[in-house]
Amino acid sequence: QVHLVQSGSDLKKPGASVKVSCKASGYIFTSYSINWVRQAPGQGLEWMGWINTNTGNPTYAQGFTGRFVFSLDTSVTTAYLQISSLEAGDTAVYYCARASDTWYELDYWGQGTLVTVSS
Amino acid sequence: QSALTQPPSASGSRGQSVTISCTGTSSDVGTYNYVSWYQQHPGKAPKLIIFEVSKRPSGVPNRFSGSKSGSTASLTVSGLQAEDEADFYCSSYAGNYNWVFGGGTRVTVL
Repeated sequence: QVHLVQSGSDLKKPGASVKVSCKASGYIFTSYSINWVRQAPGQGLEWMGWINTNTGNPTYAQGFTGRFVFSLDTSVTTAYLQISSLEAGDTAVYYCARASDTWYELDYWGQGTLVTVSS
Repeated sequence: QSALTQPPSASGSRGQSVTISCTGTSSDVGTYNYVSWYQQHPGKAPKLIIFEVSKRPSGVPNRFSGSKSGSTASLTVSGLQAEDEADFYCSSYAGNYNWVFGGGTRVTVL
């Protein structure tokens, strides 16, 4: 069965960096892309972008360029989201989600990782 | 690209139906039949319930149905049950390897 297990909650100070991991199992990791979705407290879902797990090529949505980096370690079937120069507005739950084999929807989701940015 | 437009809330009595709209543009919903819907219970991850406008993943009850007309997609939940109370989000492919979500609709079962 497909599982995406994310790293635990993190508390960071403004200006610091954070790296969220998303460990995939139960399927061929390099056959399905991984998407990242942000949900600020009490707010809706926001698509951040995706990474091609076969080539490692990332695509970032508007508003998520510069400080956000998607990466992979295929040897451990894990995707990563790194955010640098953290701001209070980055406080959110971050989800990784697998795109389905038809590519256009997200069929499996991680449990979410709460990143809190506070001094 | 801008978020798709959903009503912030909707409600219906148990056993009744509720329909949620999702309005996009000719750049997303109006062009692509790649609209999906997600259900999110409080504190939980979203769950895919409709893809490609009207298809249901295995295990999703047929009480959930989707449709599209022009740049507006809709999700109908028939025979409302208590466990249907949740937030619902639409999403659409927007071309050029980009996707967009709607703002979400909270469904209350009266």
